[in-house]
Amino acid sequence: DGGITQSPKYLFRKEGQNVTLSCEQNLNHDAMYWYRQDPGQGLRLIYYSQIVNDFQKGDIAEGYSVSREKKESFPLTVTSAQKNPTAFYLCASSLSGSSPETQYFGPGTRLLVL
Amino acid sequence: DQQVKQNSPSLSVQEGRISILNCDYTNSMFDYFLWYKKYPAEGPTFLISISSIKDKNEDGRFTVFLNKSAKHLSLHIVPSQPGDSAVYFCAASSDSNYQLIWGAGTKLIIKP
Repeated sequence: DGGITQSPKYLFRKEGQNVTLSCEQNLNHDAMYWYRQDPGQGLRLIYYSQIVNDFQKGDIAEGYSVSREKKESFPLTVTSAQKNPTAFYLCASSLSGSSPETQYFGPGTRLLVL
Repeated sequence: DQQVKQNSPSLSVQEGRISILNCDYTNSMFDYFLWYKKYPAEGPTFLISISSIKDKNEDGRFTVFLNKSAKHLSLHIVPSQPGDSAVYFCAASSDSNYQLIWGAGTKLIIKP
């Protein structure tokens, strides 16, 4: 059955280390998104992509990077430039990203700094 | 500058009664609104949406009401069940920018 998978469920980062969060979808959606959730706050958009090999910065892109080499995959790298990376990271997808539409979410990855 | 506000961080409701979750927005360009439900350590799941051409949308126990003049929407859950205990987020988008803008969420607790 179709859905969005994220791995790992928990991830630990050391100082100065880059880490990559995986997101895969088999919904045949064109658009994919990465959000960050902090306690007591709504979701904030990091990056989004409406088509393969193209992506746009969201509201809080600094310290993050993404790639979209395949339609099904949208990995997020948290770089050492992100000074406060501890958060719950959510990946989502939607049909096209070019009209008001429902986004569907993966189970999330919790990133912790050692 | 919060464009979507959920002013109640938490709400406690007796099982079987009606739960009413509120959401206010400031951007008059928003024309599509969604409610999501989220359990701890899981991704949000879509509940119900409403377009600005409507003032009400109903799906089973869930009804969303939109008051455009007041820039206010609400989610009604009736009757409330223990499994409804979760954090509820409202989100909005506009015709000019399809990205979702999220409220901070309201934690709903259903008491037995």
